[in-house]
Amino acid sequence: EPEVTQTPSHQVTQMGQEVILRCVPISNHLYFYWYRQILGQKVEFLVSFYNNEISEKSEIFDDQFSVERPDGSNFTLKIRSTKLEDSAMYFCASSETHTFGSGTRLTVV
Amino acid sequence: AQSVAQPEDQVNVAEGNPLTVKCTYSVSGNPYLFWYVQYPNRGLQFLLKYITGDNLVKGSYGFEAEFNKSQTSFHLKKPSALVSDSALYFCAVSLGGFKTIFGAGTRLFVKA
Repeated sequence: EPEVTQTPSHQVTQMGQEVILRCVPISNHLYFYWYRQILGQKVEFLVSFYNNEISEKSEIFDDQFSVERPDGSNFTLKIRSTKLEDSAMYFCASSETHTFGSGTRLTVV
Repeated sequence: AQSVAQPEDQVNVAEGNPLTVKCTYSVSGNPYLFWYVQYPNRGLQFLLKYITGDNLVKGSYGFEAEFNKSQTSFHLKKPSALVSDSALYFCAVSLGGFKTIFGAGTRLFVKA
């Protein structure tokens, strides 16, 4: 069965640094999403992306965050100037039926 | 507003007994409903989904769920629990093409 692939599986970064989380969605899917899960808490919606633009975003998704499909295949989440509270699991999903990747654990130190 | 409720923080069941993890939702329109399982330090694993059709949906690892429109519920069930089913279970709802809202999760403990 087709999978959504996320890299890296674990990223450690210093506070204030920029990180880029990568996702390869299932080909031919049109909808893409990013979610995050702070340890032990619920999964929270960040942003949805359709037709090469953001279709919806949550209040969490502020100017610190951005998404791109740089090459028509990868779907990236960029976090500028990371903060300690950005430490979480970040999940990518594709299609209306939400096939999730296995996530990237981001640790900000 | 869209919402999902998992009324139980924790469910305890003995191995071999049937299990139920409850989920109710509130959404206008026709929902897409999902169940995911999460093991410690792991990602979300898809169990099953309801989009349309048969109200009883069968998924991975012997789990099933029944869509009940009148009660706006989508409870997860399994006829005979295994110790290895112990994990965190999330119910989720979306309107297709839009964000998915997750419940707070229910921790399932299956005792040998």
